[in-house]
Amino acid sequence: KAGVTQTPRYLIKTRGQQVTLSCSPISGHRSVSWYQQTPGQGLQFLFEYFSETQRNKGNFPGRFSGRQFSNSRSEMNVSTLELGDSALYLCASSLTQGIEQYFGPGTRLTVT
Amino acid sequence: QQQVKQSPQSLIVQKGGISIINCAYENTAFDYFPWYQQFPGKGPALLIAIRPDVSEKKEGRFTISFNKSAKQFSLHIMDSQPGDSATYFCAAGYRDDKIIFGKGTRLHILP
Repeated sequence: KAGVTQTPRYLIKTRGQQVTLSCSPISGHRSVSWYQQTPGQGLQFLFEYFSETQRNKGNFPGRFSGRQFSNSRSEMNVSTLELGDSALYLCASSLTQGIEQYFGPGTRLTVT
Repeated sequence: QQQVKQSPQSLIVQKGGISIINCAYENTAFDYFPWYQQFPGKGPALLIAIRPDVSEKKEGRFTISFNKSAKQFSLHIMDSQPGDSATYFCAAGYRDDKIIFGKGTRLHILP
C-alpha cells in the first residue's frame, strides 16, 4: 500500500505570495490532518478534514485554509505569506478521525 | 489544559543503554497516547500507542509506561542502538479528535 504523498517536497516563496500544498492520503483513509513543524514550536495542528468537512481547526490565522476532495485528497493554502510561515508542513492520514495517523514526508516551505 | 509537556529536550545514551523520555498532560479526558519517531528529512512515524486502561505496553525494545493518577507517561527504549537516534514525540488526544504533540526529544545513541 502506498504511503501518504505530499507535493511539492520543497518550495521557496516570497513574502506576500500565496502557496498551495497537496496531500494524497493512504488509499481508504478518509481523514487528513495538517501540521506545521518548526524547531521552536514543534508540531502544531492546523486542521483536520474528514469526508470533505473540516472537523477540527487549530489556532492559526485565517490565512491558513484547506479543503478535501471527494477522493480524500487534500490541499492547504496559505495566503499573504510571512517570513514566520517558513516551516515543514506535514500531512497525516488515518482511517477515521484522529487516531493512528500516518504522516507524509512533508513540504519544506521557505519564505524569503 | 491542552498541553503535553515532554522532557528532556535532548538525550545522549550509550549503545546498549536504556533511553527514557517522559511526558505529562493535564486533560484527564485524553484517551489515546501515541509516540512518534522522526528521522531527519522524514515525516513522523507511529511507533507505539497506549490507552489509559493499560499501565504498560511493550513492542520489541520499546515500552510505554502509563501512570493515570500522575497524568504521566513515558517511553523506554531498551538496548538502545545507533539506529534509534531520532527525534521522538509523545502525543495525547481524544478518540475521534485531534491529537496534541509534545515538543520532541532529540535522542542520540553513542556507538
